[in-house]
Amino acid sequence: DIQMTQSPSSLSASVGDRVTIPCRASQNLAGYLHWYQQRPGKAPKLLIYGTSTLQSGVPSRFSGSGSGTDFTLTISGVQPEDSATYFCQQTYTTPATFGGGTRVE
Amino acid sequence: QVVESGGGLVQPGGSLRLSCAASGFNVSGHYVAWVRQAPGRGLEWVSIFYSAGATAYAASVKGRFIISRDTSKNLVYFQMNGLRVDDTAVYYCATGSTVVTPVDALDVWGQGTVVTVSS
Repeated sequence: DIQMTQSPSSLSASVGDRVTIPCRASQNLAGYLHWYQQRPGKAPKLLIYGTSTLQSGVPSRFSGSGSGTDFTLTISGVQPEDSATYFCQQTYTTPATFGGGTRVE
Repeated sequence: QVVESGGGLVQPGGSLRLSCAASGFNVSGHYVAWVRQAPGRGLEWVSIFYSAGATAYAASVKGRFIISRDTSKNLVYFQMNGLRVDDTAVYYCATGSTVVTPVDALDVWGQGTVVTVSS
């Protein structure tokens, strides 16, 4: 199985900060890497798919980058409503594993 | 959209069948996955039913859980047998719209159904 590692598990930011959330895979994902946002008590929401494609309706301050085994979610100008946990997921192969998540406060 | 049902309280070793009702799309043409989240924990991908009929499972549930679909009812089922305490979680049904299908991402999620395994 492909292992997905997200570190740190939490971070603090101030409004307007540029926040970067890393995700590392145990093997090459060929771009099959996606990012989800989950607010407490809610279902996850897809933000970025295929490493860098912004999902429709998602604010443009969110962006994704990376290749191979190393990927990053960037929030440029974090807003209060961005307080949530962010998960990366690989779908290169099954089981389509998630990272452990990074909580942004 | 997708709507889950069938969760509840069950004793260890028991069984439950979850249902995922699809609307606005045909389950025969889309993959449908189950993702669970234990209390206070992260997301765990559990199983998937591909449009062509192939299935896949996480190692933690393989041999105990079975995913199936009924295209006449536009439903996907998740039969959970031999339930254990550590299967306690919110179970989400999710699928991918046409835009994200090429990379198997999940952009349509249900609200989740709670499964509690306890004596």
